[in-house]
Amino acid sequence: AQSVTQPDARVTVSEGASLQLRCKYSYSGTPYLFWYVQYPRQGLQLLLKYYSGDPVVQGVNGFEAEFIKSNSSFHLRKASVHWSDSAVYFCAVSGSFSNTNKVVFGTGTRLQVLP
Amino acid sequence: GPKVLQIPSHQIIDMGQMVTLNCDPVSNHLYFYWYKQILGQQMEFLVNFYNGKVMEKSKLFKDQFSVERPDGSYFTLKIQPTALEDSAVYFCASSPDWSSYEQYFGPGTRLTVL
Repeated sequence: AQSVTQPDARVTVSEGASLQLRCKYSYSGTPYLFWYVQYPRQGLQLLLKYYSGDPVVQGVNGFEAEFIKSNSSFHLRKASVHWSDSAVYFCAVSGSFSNTNKVVFGTGTRLQVLP
Repeated sequence: GPKVLQIPSHQIIDMGQMVTLNCDPVSNHLYFYWYKQILGQQMEFLVNFYNGKVMEKSKLFKDQFSVERPDGSYFTLKIQPTALEDSAVYFCASSPDWSSYEQYFGPGTRLTVL
């Protein structure tokens, strides 16, 4: 079955520090990978997505992620975080799992950026 | 960017009552989805809907659940009757076509069943 693992439920970093949020997926086919961010009382916003091609994808607000097939990973990175980056981040995978294109989510990582 | 709206943002009802959650998807999208997120847990797929029909549903989509989109209006999730374990945040999503693996999500409706 398809699954996504985000091993860190909470991450705390200081403003200006670099960030990596970990994500590993399990899917035998061609994965379509996403990172979403959820701010309080708001919906999910797409940060970036990977379908094919260059394994390093750039997203909004300076975020990027790298698809490493051999490791089944899709970690999210940012060189220098801002306090406004505090939110919950979800990694997700989609694909032709069945006859519909449902999205399978990880449990999320809550990021707190200290001023 | 395109936005999906959900009404209401929060609903509190007594166990056994009926509830309808409303979703206003992106205007030209054709595929619609509901996901359920219990507090502290991951979002899980409930159902998807296309051309007036349920395409696939998960084991979480109990017999008490139903979805419809009458005459291109809101895409709704109805629960009748509700149970305590239905308390969760329900997210609606839509996508433009079959080949799009990206879904646009609404802000969620927090349902509390007492």
